[in-house]
Amino acid sequence: DTAVSQTPKYLVTQMGNDKSIKCEQNLGHDTMYWYKQDSKKFLKIMFSYNNKELIINETVPNRFSPKSPDKAHLNLHINSLELGDSAVYFCASSQQLEKWTLHFGNGTRLTVT
Amino acid sequence: AQKITQTQPGMFVQEKEAVTLDCTYDTSDPSYGLFWYKQPSSGEMIFLIYQGSYDQQNATEGRYSLNFQKARKSANLVISASQLGDSAMYFCAMSQLSYKLIFGSGTRLLVRP
Repeated sequence: DTAVSQTPKYLVTQMGNDKSIKCEQNLGHDTMYWYKQDSKKFLKIMFSYNNKELIINETVPNRFSPKSPDKAHLNLHINSLELGDSAVYFCASSQQLEKWTLHFGNGTRLTVT
Repeated sequence: AQKITQTQPGMFVQEKEAVTLDCTYDTSDPSYGLFWYKQPSSGEMIFLIYQGSYDQQNATEGRYSLNFQKARKSANLVISASQLGDSAMYFCAMSQLSYKLIFGSGTRLLVRP
């Protein structure tokens, strides 16, 4: 059973398009995250939700909008995609806000052409 | 400002030998956690080990141990008896009271047969 699953695994799209990445966790965790890993492998947090409530919103363009319909899901919608959005996006979850051991999904490689 | 530094972009180790991956951190929070994650070439992020700032003993998980020196603000990962499957990127990370997990830039480890 996959604990944190992301779809799609690969996403290739053109500039200006709108796309979504879905994430689901079956661990019963309260907190979910989106991280971005750039071409230099640097990982940076984008968003964090705890029980469907937005907790962390880093300096991310508002073209990125997370949505958490329930605490097991955290989707990422990106409007008007730009070349610089090309990266690997990781979804993660943790048991609670204070329990920082993250369980990561396998990542979504987004390529914007 | 909180910061994680990994000064070794790449390292080699001979199979069956031990290797130490360096990590230093900077934070003004009295309570924090330190983590190591492994990212193999397949891309997933795998949790390895955790050390709490108030833990008296160094954390160990199988062949992984964390050499925690609080006064020096270092949290080095020691891998004993290296295996070929240990070849990967290794990330040090720190959690903070602001509920963010921040990552270092990573160290690429290559295990030679």
